[in-house]
Amino acid sequence: GIQVEQSPPDLILQEGANSTLRCNFSDSVNNLQWFHQNPWGQLINLFYIPSGTKQNGRLSATTVATERYSLLYISSSQTTDSGVYFCAVALSGGSYIPTFGRGTSLIVHP
Amino acid sequence: DAGVIQSPRHEVTEMGQEVTLRCKPISGHDYLFWYRQTMMRGLELLIYFNNNVPIDDSGMPEDRFSAKMPNASFSTLKIQPSEPRDSAVYFCASSLEGYEQYFGPGTRLTVT
Repeated sequence: GIQVEQSPPDLILQEGANSTLRCNFSDSVNNLQWFHQNPWGQLINLFYIPSGTKQNGRLSATTVATERYSLLYISSSQTTDSGVYFCAVALSGGSYIPTFGRGTSLIVHP
Repeated sequence: DAGVIQSPRHEVTEMGQEVTLRCKPISGHDYLFWYRQTMMRGLELLIYFNNNVPIDDSGMPEDRFSAKMPNASFSTLKIQPSEPRDSAVYFCASSLEGYEQYFGPGTRLTVT
């Protein structure tokens, strides 16, 4: 099956810092999402972004499908950004079976 | 919209007991997914439905697990008999036409 690798696995920031999270995938996809799992365990949609660039406030994401990677940018980080960020993909032309990466654990200190 | 609704939010049961988890997807969504999350294995897809029909159940760990979707607004995941290794957070998610998924709050299951 498709392999999804996220980096870095862990990230510690001071409030106000910027960061870039990466998601690499091993095959062509037509479905890619970024999620934030907050410290209470809720999985929150950030972006549905199989290709191109999107922005939502301090967060933005870019997917370069031809090169099989996606980036999530967090600017001016806040303590509420803490949690785990997951990338999930599904293969082009196949049955819809989403595969999740292992996530990037982010801690933002005040 | 109320989002995906799951119940119960927490379940503690003894080994050997039957456990039933419930999910109400977002109205109008035609795909429903059941996931399990553990520290060791991360997020695993157990089964998904399209228009109430199970499409892929290859992630269901063993025959003790079963899932049904009797109508477009309700699904259950049943474990019988439960074992301590089934302890995990179980998520339900739904989507329209298989695209953007929306997750429920999860059910934290503890089997003692």
